[in-house]
Amino acid sequence: DAGVIQSPRHEVTEMGQEVTLRCKPISGHDYLFWYRQTMMRGLELLIYFNNNVPIDDSGMPEDRFSAKMPNASFSTLKIQPSEPRDSAVYFCASSSFRGTRQPQHFGDGTRLSIL
Amino acid sequence: KQEVTQIPAALSVPEGENLVLNCSFTDSAIYNLQWFRQDPGKGLTSLLLIQSSQREQTSGRLNASLDKSSGRSTLYIAASQPGDSATYLCAVSPNTGGFKTIFGAGTRLFVKA
Repeated sequence: DAGVIQSPRHEVTEMGQEVTLRCKPISGHDYLFWYRQTMMRGLELLIYFNNNVPIDDSGMPEDRFSAKMPNASFSTLKIQPSEPRDSAVYFCASSSFRGTRQPQHFGDGTRLSIL
Repeated sequence: KQEVTQIPAALSVPEGENLVLNCSFTDSAIYNLQWFRQDPGKGLTSLLLIQSSQREQTSGRLNASLDKSSGRSTLYIAASQPGDSATYLCAVSPNTGGFKTIFGAGTRLFVKA
């Protein structure tokens, strides 16, 4: 059973460039989450979707960040324009509701470095 | 605003020792609490999930307890092994606000062979 798949695993780009992170959730999961992890702030929820619809984007830091989920098997997190302070590890996770909220399953993350 | 604190920040123990990791949260109105493990360069792996109505959950050598009224949870690891070395994170999901999850900073565990 494939887990959550994220790409790319590593991304190094220059300030001002557009960055697109991709995520494929576990099949059958109807919740998808985007997190950011840094040494200073720990793990922060950026946005989550239910049935492809954004439910809570209050964690998205600025308008430079946007996320989409065009279908149940794919989501993107885009940063445009990117800045050095966006450097972090970005995780995607998916989950489901089966009478109760089920555990979240995480991908291995994308390590983003903005020069 | 919900805050999650984990103590200690780091812990080093000899192999075979039993140990306890602590997690505290400021708002007791939670839906559930989860313990995760994170290995270097990897994502998080869910270890145990405790619903707000439960007091504890067990999986193998791991036992997690929840005292919602006092805002505390503990993760007990029995007979620790070098393979247990990782960062352990506690996370709470509030009663309201849907699936939103707030994480602690984690406890970095090192088990010496």
